[in-house]
Amino acid sequence: DIQMTQSPFSLSASVGDRVTISCQASQDISNYLNWYQQKPGKAPKRLIYDASNLETGVPSRFSGSGSGTDFTFTITSLQPDDIATYYCQHYDNLPPTFGPGTKVDIK
Amino acid sequence: EVQLLESGGGLVQPGGSLRLSCAASGFTFTNYAVSWVRQAPGKGLEWVSAITSSGISRYYADSVKGRFTISRDNSKYTLYLQMSSLRAEDTALYYCAKGICGSSASCLSFDYWGQGTPVTVSS
Repeated sequence: DIQMTQSPFSLSASVGDRVTISCQASQDISNYLNWYQQKPGKAPKRLIYDASNLETGVPSRFSGSGSGTDFTFTITSLQPDDIATYYCQHYDNLPPTFGPGTKVDIK
Repeated sequence: EVQLLESGGGLVQPGGSLRLSCAASGFTFTNYAVSWVRQAPGKGLEWVSAITSSGISRYYADSVKGRFTISRDNSKYTLYLQMSSLRAEDTALYYCAKGICGSSASCLSFDYWGQGTPVTVSS
């Protein structure tokens, strides 16, 4: 199985800050990577697919990059509504696995 | 509007069984693979099982293989998860999630999710 790791585990930043989350796959997954946002008590919401494609309707302050084993998720200007846990997930093969999540908070 | 509505969760004793359902609407259900993904209290997301659009192929996480069975009724636009020999570690919120295509691993990119149905395994 492909293992997904994320860093940091959690972060606290100020409104307007740039926030970056890293995700690493244990083997090459090409660009078969999603980023999800999960707010407390809510279902996950896909923000980024195929590593760098923004879901329709998602604000442009969110972006993704990378391919192979190393991926990055960025919020260019953190907003109060962005408080959530963010997960990466690969879909290169079975089983599709999720990273452990990164909890983002406002300082 | 795509909607996925899970039901069937509840409290069950260890060793017991439960059947979850997921009613789909707003898209052509017969064209897409669908999955169950669970989240234990305070924990991350864990993929549980998937079924291809036709229902011919079914896939399971090692943690549930031999105990859970996924199925679908394309005439009713409904996904099921039959869970048996339940353990305390199966306690979680179970989500139904739609894939982006019909029949390969790369289809398991989940563009829509239900709100989940809770399963508690406890005596």
